Amino acid sequence: EPEVTQTPSHQVTQMGQEVILRCVPISNHLYFYWYRQILGQKVEFLVSFYNNEISEKSEIFDDQFSVERPDGSNFTLKIRSTKLEDSAMYFCATGLAGASYEQYFGPGTRLTVT
Amino acid sequence: AQSVTQLGSHVSVSEGALVLLRCNYSSSVPPYLFWYVQYPNQGLQLLLKYTTGATLVKGINGFEAEFKKSETSFHLTKPSAHMSDAAEYFCAVSAPGGSYIPTFGRGTSLIVHP
Repeated sequence: EPEVTQTPSHQVTQMGQEVILRCVPISNHLYFYWYRQILGQKVEFLVSFYNNEISEKSEIFDDQFSVERPDGSNFTLKIRSTKLEDSAMYFCATGLAGASYEQYFGPGTRLTVT
Repeated sequence: AQSVTQLGSHVSVSEGALVLLRCNYSSSVPPYLFWYVQYPNQGLQLLLKYTTGATLVKGINGFEAEFKKSETSFHLTKPSAHMSDAAEYFCAVSAPGGSYIPTFGRGTSLIVHP
């Protein structure tokens, strides 16, 4: 069964550094999403991406964050100048266009900022 | 705006006992409702969803949920718990006609005792 994959599974970085989290969507999916889950808290929406542009973003997704599909397959989340509070689990999700509104989630990347 | 409340961060049951995980939502429009399951070190997997039609929805692994508009609830049940059901369960709501981005609850950890 096709699945969403994410790399790395765990990333440790120092405060102020830049990180790039990568996601490989299911091949025929057209909608892409990033979510984060701070330990013990809710899963929070960050951004959605369709047709090579951001379609919706939350207030969490400020200028520190960016997304792109650099090669038409990978979907990346870049976090510039990381802060301690960016430590969280980051989930990529992808979905088909259409009425199901079902999203398929990857296993997540655990980001630890020290 | 929409929100989800999951009552109980942890639910403990014995193997073979009924599983009941509670979810209440608020939405200004008729909602779409979802239950996701997260096994350790994995992403979120869709268990079931309600969009329109029959209010009793059956999902994978023997789970079902009933949409009760009058109670603004979408509780998840399973008649007989298995050890393999131990996981984190998330209820989510989205608002068709506007943003389809789901809002997640905080999650309920299901513990199954032998």
